[in-house]
Amino acid sequence: AQSVAQPEDQVNVAEGNPLTVKCTYSVSGNPYLFWYVQYPNRGLQFLLKYITGDNLVKGSYGFEAEFNKSQTSFHLKKPSALVSDSALYFCAVRDGETGANNLFFGTGTRLTVIP
Amino acid sequence: DVKVTQSSRYLVKRTGEKVFLECVQDMDHENMFWYRQDPGLGLRLIYFSYDVKMKEKGDIPEGYSVSREKKERFSLILESASTNQTSMYLCASSWIYNSPLHFGNGTRLTVT
Repeated sequence: AQSVAQPEDQVNVAEGNPLTVKCTYSVSGNPYLFWYVQYPNRGLQFLLKYITGDNLVKGSYGFEAEFNKSQTSFHLKKPSALVSDSALYFCAVRDGETGANNLFFGTGTRLTVIP
Repeated sequence: DVKVTQSSRYLVKRTGEKVFLECVQDMDHENMFWYRQDPGLGLRLIYFSYDVKMKEKGDIPEGYSVSREKKERFSLILESASTNQTSMYLCASSWIYNSPLHFGNGTRLTVT
């Protein structure tokens, strides 16, 4: 069975500092990994994905994520946080071997960037 | 730009009512999904559809049904609404298997 863990419900970071939002996953086959962001009263927006290839993936709004197969992690990072990055972030995984269409989401991490 | 439109932002219904949540996408996407979002639980898949008139159960289909008569439209039906179905409902669509999901803005349903 596939699963995603976002161990931190809340992350606070000062504006201008680097930020990390953590994600670990469990799948039986190859993982297809995604990050989404949700602003208040909005649906989720796609940030980036890892399917295959380079372990460092760059996405929208200056975000990037690093796939680490040995640690089964896909942490989201940004070198310098902006107040406008404050939002709810979701990691998601699909099992590449089962062929299932289901994208399994984590419980979300609320990022607050403090001015 | 892909647009996924959910017909209502807020709905208030009474217990036992039949409720229809409508979702339309404008990019000819094959796949469409209904999720519910609850605090501390993240997003959970209710149903998805990979073609017209085709549907598959997700993780929490009980108490729900769906309809996809046209490619662009995917409806979620609560046959007899209950208070534990009070939630945020999110519709999404995607082009192919590993393409990103595009979400609507959600419908916040309250069942009293």
